[in-house]
Amino acid sequence: AQSVTQPDIHITVSEGASLELRCNYSYGATPYLFWYVQSPGQGLQLLLKYFSGDTLVQGIKGFEAEFKRSQSSFNLRKPSVHWSDAAEYFCAVGAIQGAQKLVFGQGTRLTINP
Amino acid sequence: EPEVTQTPSHQVTQMGQEVILRCVPISNHLYFYWYRQILGQKVEFLVSFYNNEISEKSEIFDDQFSVERPDGSNFTLKIRSTKLEDSAMYFCASSLDTQYFGPGTRLTVL
Repeated sequence: AQSVTQPDIHITVSEGASLELRCNYSYGATPYLFWYVQSPGQGLQLLLKYFSGDTLVQGIKGFEAEFKRSQSSFNLRKPSVHWSDAAEYFCAVGAIQGAQKLVFGQGTRLTINP
Repeated sequence: EPEVTQTPSHQVTQMGQEVILRCVPISNHLYFYWYRQILGQKVEFLVSFYNNEISEKSEIFDDQFSVERPDGSNFTLKIRSTKLEDSAMYFCASSLDTQYFGPGTRLTVL
């Protein structure tokens, strides 16, 4: 069965500190992997995606993620967070082709301390 | 930059009433989706739609739900007889290979 696990429900970091949000997935075929961000009361904005090729992918707002097939992980990182990064972050996995059903993790809520 | 739009942003209805949630996907996209997010929970897949028919649906998407692309631009989700547990944020998405989401419609069933 397809599943995504985000082990950290809530993370608090100080502004300017580095960030890593964890994501582990279970998927029977080669996955498409995504990170979305949701600000309060807002929709889901795509941060980055991994389809194939270079396992380190760059996204918007200074985020990057690394695909590690051996660990079934796709962790999101940012070297220095800004107060505006406070939001809920969702990892998702889907099929490579066709009408993808995305399976989402539970989400990680990020709080930034000034 | 093209985006997915959804109307209304908020919908309040009485239990048992029918609601229609509307979405305008990105114009050159081929695949269309509905997801829902109950408050405090994860985003859940409801249905995918391609070539004017349902591609896949989840267990949540029972006979009370239906989708339609009536005019080549709009994509609608109808809930025939709403229940209290249908209260959620409903997201529309569209894709070629990457799904882009609309801002959502918050449905409250009283």
